[in-house]
Amino acid sequence: DTEVTQTPKHLVMGMTNKKSLKCEQHMGHRAMYWYKQKAKKPPELMFVYSYEKLSINESVPSRFSPECPNSSLLNLHLHALQPEDSALYLCASSLEVPVRMNTEAFFGQGTRLTVV
Amino acid sequence: GEDVEQSLFLSVREGDSSVINCTYTDSSSTYLYWYKQEPGAGLQLLTYIFSNMDMKQDQRLTVLLNKKDKHLSLRIADTQTGDSAIYFCAERLTGGGNKLTFGTGTQLKVEL
Repeated sequence: DTEVTQTPKHLVMGMTNKKSLKCEQHMGHRAMYWYKQKAKKPPELMFVYSYEKLSINESVPSRFSPECPNSSLLNLHLHALQPEDSALYLCASSLEVPVRMNTEAFFGQGTRLTVV
Repeated sequence: GEDVEQSLFLSVREGDSSVINCTYTDSSSTYLYWYKQEPGAGLQLLTYIFSNMDMKQDQRLTVLLNKKDKHLSLRIADTQTGDSAIYFCAERLTGGGNKLTFGTGTQLKVEL
């Protein structure tokens, strides 16, 4: 099983709503990521969790709040978003290994978020 | 720096070879990856190469790495219409932990 599952696939939310994106993997990976991707642009890293602890936060606004409740799950809580936050949100996971070893990152299919 | 550049667009005829290029600026890359993204979908890992290798071949895919020029390429032999997608190179840096930095992406269009 090399699958990273994201739900929902599509989400439309108002600027006053609170919603959550979910990501799940059962590959035993201990590094999990959130990326944001605008149309025709490369993914931009938002957060990295390593062994369920936040290891990288790329100066993301506080209206995005990540959570890693256990080694298989990663959530992204959304609150008071702006229309410019509309994008494809990608979750990924990889083994947590020393830097000289390969850590292929496997991506989910993404959640297409539209903020109205 | 961590700039990773790719040409934006490539058009080839079905059956021809495609070569997608990528240049990077940080010489401390450890692994370099190629991902494929079809419309509305996530990223699919195609292949990777360790920075001490020059070449890697995997079925129709050939990756060439010129570390001196910081140039990476992906050659797709016998390109098919199903290969039409956006291709991203990505690098993982020594000391960068698990962080992947993606290139700007190349849209490959395969014509009949």
